[in-house]
Amino acid sequence: EAGVAQSPRYKIIEKRQSVAFWCNPISGHATLYWYQQILGQGPKLLIQFQNNGVVDDSQLPKDRFSAERLKGVDSTLKIQPAKLEDSAVYLCASSFSSRASGRNFQETQYFGPGTRLLVL
Amino acid sequence: DAKTTQPPSMDCAEGRAANLPCNHSTISGNEYVYWYRQIHSQGPQYIIHGLKNNETNEMASLIITEDRKSSTLILPHATLRDTAVYYCIVRVADRGTYKYIFGTGTRLKVLA
Repeated sequence: EAGVAQSPRYKIIEKRQSVAFWCNPISGHATLYWYQQILGQGPKLLIQFQNNGVVDDSQLPKDRFSAERLKGVDSTLKIQPAKLEDSAVYLCASSFSSRASGRNFQETQYFGPGTRLLVL
Repeated sequence: DAKTTQPPSMDCAEGRAANLPCNHSTISGNEYVYWYRQIHSQGPQYIIHGLKNNETNEMASLIITEDRKSSTLILPHATLRDTAVYYCIVRVADRGTYKYIFGTGTRLKVLA
């Protein structure tokens, strides 16, 4: 099966410019995640969607970052305006979700190749 | 904060077993241990996960101690292509959903 697709793979912008990243999850995966990975650190969750609804955006800097998943399939993450400290790899992941005994279960997350952003 | 601690780096000779340790002393009874690896310039790749019992798949084996406070990922015959950063993650329940909290991982270098 096809994996998680992301584009672009690389982006260089100047500070205060805007940028958008796109993610297409694995077919049938209801849960989609955006992570930020700064050089030398592990990925940090920014936002989690279940279908087209936001489940967790507690770590998303909402003054400059926004994300949407309008039709519950692909998603875009936007930064406006960008700061130098936003230079990082932005990873998208998806997982299959099921429901049993009144609870939601997310299965293993599968990651895309990431978008490497450099803000000058 | 991450619920796991790992050594920052390890070396392993090609063809030998690589044993990567992970401490997760505050793990709760229903929290799974996941392992991923990240090869340079790629996204994290799923390796294996487990709850209580030892697990094995085509990539690796996962040994979880009886008290579940630590685990070891075993790559039985390491190759140069196994050089990567290995992340041990405890999947935590949070506000009706599950999330991974990554630490800084172990940088494994397989030596020829």
